[in-house]
Formats: sequence, C-alpha cells, structure tokens
Amino acid sequence: EDQVTQSPEALRLQEGESSSLNCSYTVSGLRGLFWYRQDPGKGPEFLFTLYSAGEEKEKERLKATLTKKESFLHITAPKPEDSATYLCAVQTLLSGGYNKLIFGAGTRLAVHP
Amino acid sequence: EAGVTQFPSHSVIEKGQTVTLRCDPISGHDNLYWYRRVMGKEIKFLLHFVKESKQDESGMPNNRFLAERTGGTYSTLKVQPAELEDSGVYFCASSQHGLAVGETQYFGPGTRLLVL
Repeated sequence: EDQVTQSPEALRLQEGESSSLNCSYTVSGLRGLFWYRQDPGKGPEFLFTLYSAGEEKEKERLKATLTKKESFLHITAPKPEDSATYLCAVQTLLSGGYNKLIFGAGTRLAVHP
Repeated sequence: EAGVTQFPSHSVIEKGQTVTLRCDPISGHDNLYWYRRVMGKEIKFLLHFVKESKQDESGMPNNRFLAERTGGTYSTLKVQPAELEDSGVYFCASSQHGLAVGETQYFGPGTRLLVL
C-alpha cells in the first residue's frame, strides 16, 4: 500500500537555528514528490517538485532533496515567517493514467524570535 | 490570475442536514480534484473530474457524497444527510493536463465543515 510518513510531527526552532524535516515514502511508481506549505486557515501552497533520486531544489531558505526512499526539507537560518505546516505528497497513478496525490500528515514548524 | 476558490469557507450544520460545497478551479484547468482532511489525519483524495466527467471517485467514502461538475467549470460536493464523521476540511485542487508526470495541483483555501 502506498504510504507517506513525515517526521517529526512538530518542530520548534529558534530564529536562525537550521534543521531538517523528513518525508519517507513507499509507493509503486513514483511520478513526483511534492512539498507544500500550509498556513493556518489556508490551503496547501506549492513549494517544490522532485522527480528522481539525487535531485535538489532550492527556494530562499528552503532546500528539498530526494533519495529512493525519502525526501528532506532543509531549512537554513529560519525566520518566524517560516512558521507553518509543511506537507509532503507523492504523486501516483489514478485510473486512466491521471495523477493523484498521497499526503503525509505534515510537520508543524514554529520558529521563535 | 485568480487561484482556486471555494465557498463557503466555513459551514456548521446539524447531523442529518444537507450541505453543498462549491469549488471554482483556475481558469483553463480541465482537471479538478476533491480532497478531505479529517481531524488529526492526513489529506486524502476523494475524486477527480476531467472537464465534466468523473474520472475516478475511488476515494468517496459512501453514497451520501455526490459530486458534480456541470459544464466542466465549477464543481459542487453535496453531503446528504451529513453525519458527525463528515466533519473536516474539504479541499479542492485543479491542474491543467492531469496526465503529465510531476504536474502540480493547485489548492483552494478549503471549506471547514462541522457537523453537530
């Protein structure tokens, strides 16, 4: 069964304290791994797509990496505005060749000044 | 360009009542998806439209849920009659092609449904 597991569930950091979030997955036929950011009361906001092991993507203080079994979201020198829930999702196949997303439960990040 | 919009943002109803959620996808996006997050759980797929056709509804929990997308534009998700376990956040997402590897799905803000 396709599954996505994120850890830790919650993470508290001091401003400037770098850390990493983990997303491990088991899926038959990975078509892409996605990272989304979700703020309270809002929908998931797209951050990155990774396709193959060894791939890396960066955006401001965030860097996402991918291996055959897991992905990491590295946060360098975080600021309070980086506080959010970070969601990992893998893209697999629906009937007819269309895509669907399987989400992990998310990591709630709080960055304190 | 407007993003995915959903209405209402919140809904509080009593068990046994009917509620209809609406989603307007990004203009030009043929693919529309409904997802749901119930308390403490991950976001889960409900169903997928390609234009006005239901392509896959394997995630729909039971026959109290009815989704439509008349004319291939906006979509509605009706819950009738609502039960306590239907409480959660219902998200809509859209994408342009649906078949492309790694194609991004863009999400709306969600409708927060509480059944009392």
